[in-house]
Amino acid sequence: DAKTTQPPSMDCAEGRAANLPCNHSTISGNEYVYWYRQIHSQGPQYIIHGLKNNETNEMASLIITEDRKSSTLILPHATLRDTAVYYCIVSHYGGSQGNLIFGKGTKLSVKP
Amino acid sequence: DSGVTQTPKHLITATGQRVTLRCSPRSGDLSVYWYQQSLDQGLQFLIQYYNGEERAKGNILERFSAQQFPDLHSELNLSSLELGDSALYFCASSPGRWWSGNLPEETQYFGPGTRLLVL
Repeated sequence: DAKTTQPPSMDCAEGRAANLPCNHSTISGNEYVYWYRQIHSQGPQYIIHGLKNNETNEMASLIITEDRKSSTLILPHATLRDTAVYYCIVSHYGGSQGNLIFGKGTKLSVKP
Repeated sequence: DSGVTQTPKHLITATGQRVTLRCSPRSGDLSVYWYQQSLDQGLQFLIQYYNGEERAKGNILERFSAQQFPDLHSELNLSSLELGDSALYFCASSPGRWWSGNLPEETQYFGPGTRLLVL
């Protein structure tokens, strides 16, 4: 079973920030938080990951709470092309010990 | 474009048949992973290879097998196909440098997938 909890769906207005929450209350000290997204039936696309510090890249920002039990993915200016299923995954070393466990994710719908 | 390529994009076959799916990892990546995505099961890990050797196994059926070749490309073989094997099959790759002694960052990058339809 996935070790994360995400809302099944969210809406966001185009141009606004999309804030996607994820709970991972059983995360252990050496587990990363990874975010991927899947647009329609394309291959999952890596977005960002972090261990304990907040992270930012050209796609998004990742805010991890101090106790590491939850995180938020922020898409600063959502576009229609950001409509996708977003997966929050907790994993040792990014899955180097075998696999990423995908849950059901959050279906984000960006509306004009 | 992740740099991971998969062929073919689509495959239609009949029950009982055997097919081979091919994956070329990103340049320099040593690890290859296979995942299956069906409508009712979501994305599930099947198997991982590292530099030619099997590293981890997930929910892979005995009718399925995989291998990674010296040039690091990988093939997933599906035999005695059943209707329920219809799914998207994704390959992912990662650097595989977790023996370097440093805290590894094994981000997996996914290919575009092969859509298999068993009739």
